[in-house]
Amino acid sequence: AQSVAQPEDQVNVAEGNPLTVKCTYSVSGNPYLFWYVQYPNRGLQFLLKYITGDNLVKGSYGFEAEFNKSQTSFHLKKPSALVSDSALYFCAAVPMEYGNKLVFGAGTILRVKS
Amino acid sequence: DTAVSQTPKYLVTQMGNDKSIKCEQNLGHDTMYWYKQDSKKFLKIMFSYNNKELIINETVPNRFSPKSPDKAHLNLHINSLELGDSAVYFCASSQGAREQFFGPGTRLTVL
Repeated sequence: AQSVAQPEDQVNVAEGNPLTVKCTYSVSGNPYLFWYVQYPNRGLQFLLKYITGDNLVKGSYGFEAEFNKSQTSFHLKKPSALVSDSALYFCAAVPMEYGNKLVFGAGTILRVKS
Repeated sequence: DTAVSQTPKYLVTQMGNDKSIKCEQNLGHDTMYWYKQDSKKFLKIMFSYNNKELIINETVPNRFSPKSPDKAHLNLHINSLELGDSAVYFCASSQGAREQFFGPGTRLTVL
């Protein structure tokens, strides 16, 4: 079965410190990989994607993610966290033989404290 | 504003009723989706349409029926609502397999 794992329910980090939100995937083929963010009572917002090419992709709001094929991981990172980054983050994959079907991880709550 | 919009934002109804949620996108995308987010925030795809054609139909009760009158609209009709249908329903759109853009969600509460 195609799946995406986010091993941490919650990540706590102090403002100004670097943050990492982990994601691993178990998807056949060469999937497209995405990160989305959800603020309370809002829809999901696209942050960044990996399709092919450079393993380090940059996205919105200073976020970046590193694709590691051997470890089947796509961790989200930011060099310096802001309190306003506090939200629910979803990793997702599109297994290409399944067309456009996004498979989501369970989500990770990021709390940034001042 | 270019966006994915959904109506209504909130829907409170009694068990057994029939209700519809509407979705519109003005992004010119060819593919639209319905997702269900449960109380634990888990997201699961329900349906996907590409140019008005159903391409993804997950294991969803027959009480749920999507309808796409044109590629900018995808509506969700739910018959005989049950308590377990209470959730937030998100519409999304994309151009092919590119990133999806989500609507603000419809919070359905079945009493």
